Amino acid sequence: AQSVTQLDSQVPVFEEAPVELRCNYSSSVSVYLFWYVQYPNQGLQLLLKYLSGSTLVKGINGFEAEFNKSQTSFHLRKPSVHISDTAEYFCAVSRGSSNTGKLIFGQGTTLQVKP
Amino acid sequence: GAGVSQTPSNKVTEKGKYVELRCDPISGHTALYWYRQSLGQGPEFLIYFQGTGAADDSGLPNDRFFAVRPEGSVSTLKIQRTERGDSAVYLCASRGGANTGELFFGEGSRLTVL
Repeated sequence: AQSVTQLDSQVPVFEEAPVELRCNYSSSVSVYLFWYVQYPNQGLQLLLKYLSGSTLVKGINGFEAEFNKSQTSFHLRKPSVHISDTAEYFCAVSRGSSNTGKLIFGQGTTLQVKP
Repeated sequence: GAGVSQTPSNKVTEKGKYVELRCDPISGHTALYWYRQSLGQGPEFLIYFQGTGAADDSGLPNDRFFAVRPEGSVSTLKIQRTERGDSAVYLCASRGGANTGELFFGEGSRLTVL
């Protein structure tokens, strides 16, 4: 069965510092991987996605992630965070071998950016 | 509208009551999804529609849950004989063209069953 594990439930970081949010997945089939962000009182918003091709994926707001098949990971990174990046971040994998929009989400990581 | 709209934003009901949650997707989006997010958890897939038909309802927890999309646009999630364990945020999302990968989520309907 497919699953997603986000290794940190909370990540506190100071403004302008780099950050990495970790995500590992398990799947026996080809995967499509996503990171979504949920700002307070807002709906989930797509940050970036890996469907195929280059393993380094760039998204919105300066975020990027690297698909590592051998380590079954899809960690999210940003070189310098802002206060406005404070939010809940969810890693997700597409269920099954096709990209139907049926996603399995991790439990989320709360990024707390401090001044 | 510009985004996915869900109503009501909050619903408080008593155990055993019937509840309907409505989702209005982005105009023209053919695929519509329902997810459920319990406190401290990531969203959990419930059902998705391609047009008017349910393409996959494997995530519905039991037969108290039902969803419709009669005209291929607005969808209603219906929960019968609500239980306290149904308390969660119910998220709706829509998607346009195939294989774009991006789901557009609404802000959710928070259901509290007392």
